[in-house]
Amino acid sequence: AQSVSQHNHHVILSEAASLELGCNYSYGGTVNLFWYVQYPGQHLQLLLKYFSGDPLVKGIKGFEAEFIKSKFSFNLRKPSVQWSDTAEYFCAVNAADGGTALIFGKGTTLSVSS
Amino acid sequence: ETGVTQSPTHLIKTRGQQVTLRCSSQSGHNTVSWYQQALGQGPQFIFQYYREEENGRGNFPPRFSGLQFPNYSSELNVNALELDDSALYLCASSSAGGPGETQYFGPGTRLLVL
Repeated sequence: AQSVSQHNHHVILSEAASLELGCNYSYGGTVNLFWYVQYPGQHLQLLLKYFSGDPLVKGIKGFEAEFIKSKFSFNLRKPSVQWSDTAEYFCAVNAADGGTALIFGKGTTLSVSS
Repeated sequence: ETGVTQSPTHLIKTRGQQVTLRCSSQSGHNTVSWYQQALGQGPQFIFQYYREEENGRGNFPPRFSGLQFPNYSSELNVNALELDDSALYLCASSSAGGPGETQYFGPGTRLLVL
């Protein structure tokens, strides 16, 4: 069965600090990978996704993620965070040859202080 | 373009009751997925509907059932409510392009079972 593990439950950073949120998945086949974000009071929205091609994926608001197949990882990065990046971040996976159901990690809460 | 909408926003029920939650998919989308998000957890896949047929189901008992209508809107029904059913219920819509398609989430319905 597929599973997703997010290493950090709560990350606290100052503005301009660099961010890296860890995500590892467990699945033997080809996967699609997603990062979703939930800003306070808003609904889940897609930050970026990987389904093929260049393993370095760029998303909205300056976020990027790198798919490392050998490590089953899809870590999210941002070189310089802003106060407005305060949110909950979810990594998700589905099987490339299966249904579209997403398997989510437990999420990481990011708090950015100004 | 209208986004995904859900109703009601909040609901309080007592154990043993039945509840119906509603979702209107984003314009042009024919696939609806339902997720349960317990406090402090990531969303868990309940089931998915494509063209009015169930098209995949997660590890949820049969008392969780659903419908999709010709206009692609959807309902989630939960019978014999239990305390553990208290959660945020999310609906997501997508087009039927396959597992790499982005799912667009609604704001959710927060259900409290007393």
